[in-house]
Amino acid sequence: NAGVTQTPKFQVLKTGQSMTLQCAQDMNHEYMSWYRQDPGMGLRLIHYSVGAGITDQGEVPNGYNVSRSTTEDFPLRLLSAAPSQTSVYFCASSYLLTGGDEKLFFGSGTQLSVL
Amino acid sequence: GDSVTQMEGPVTLSEEAFLTINCTYTATGYPSLFWYVQYPGEGLQLLLKATKADDKGSNKGFEATYRKETTSFHLEKGSVQVSDSAVYFCAPTRNTGKLIFGQGTTLQVKP
Repeated sequence: NAGVTQTPKFQVLKTGQSMTLQCAQDMNHEYMSWYRQDPGMGLRLIHYSVGAGITDQGEVPNGYNVSRSTTEDFPLRLLSAAPSQTSVYFCASSYLLTGGDEKLFFGSGTQLSVL
Repeated sequence: GDSVTQMEGPVTLSEEAFLTINCTYTATGYPSLFWYVQYPGEGLQLLLKATKADDKGSNKGFEATYRKETTSFHLEKGSVQVSDSAVYFCAPTRNTGKLIFGQGTTLQVKP
């Protein structure tokens, strides 16, 4: 049981390049989400999904795309990287959030630098 | 929309000092309340939780009480250790999928 696995751990891009951050979980969680963490800004929700085929926007979705074709995987795509997307990205998963005691499981993060 | 306000850091304490990190929230209805902790170089992990008013969550010597009347969930520990140095996040959770975190409070404990 690996939990939430993010790849890569580190990535450097040039402005305008595209790439996909991978996230996979093996806990059969319905809920998956992507956050970015910036100094002084805390964690900000980019996109989330409550099941295969269902995605929705979070607080800061611009410049990012997601899809959820399987329960296990939730990749985050940067279509045309910008320096403002330099950040640490975290993927998280959970059983469906019903306002009860579900907790999020986090990956170890991807540190992305856009030059 | 929902929002969370945490006290600004960094909070710097000596070992064995008392810790309080304030958290207040605005949310429709009565969310569950969580504290997550992030140790250096790692992702967040759940520290404690409370799912209804007046509940007290506790773990690793940390405690927080769900105060509905003041919409608060302050984190406390009676005697901090150097190993408690981390970033602490407050997070109210409702059943909307949009789990929002506070901005995080950095705790530095010096020997």
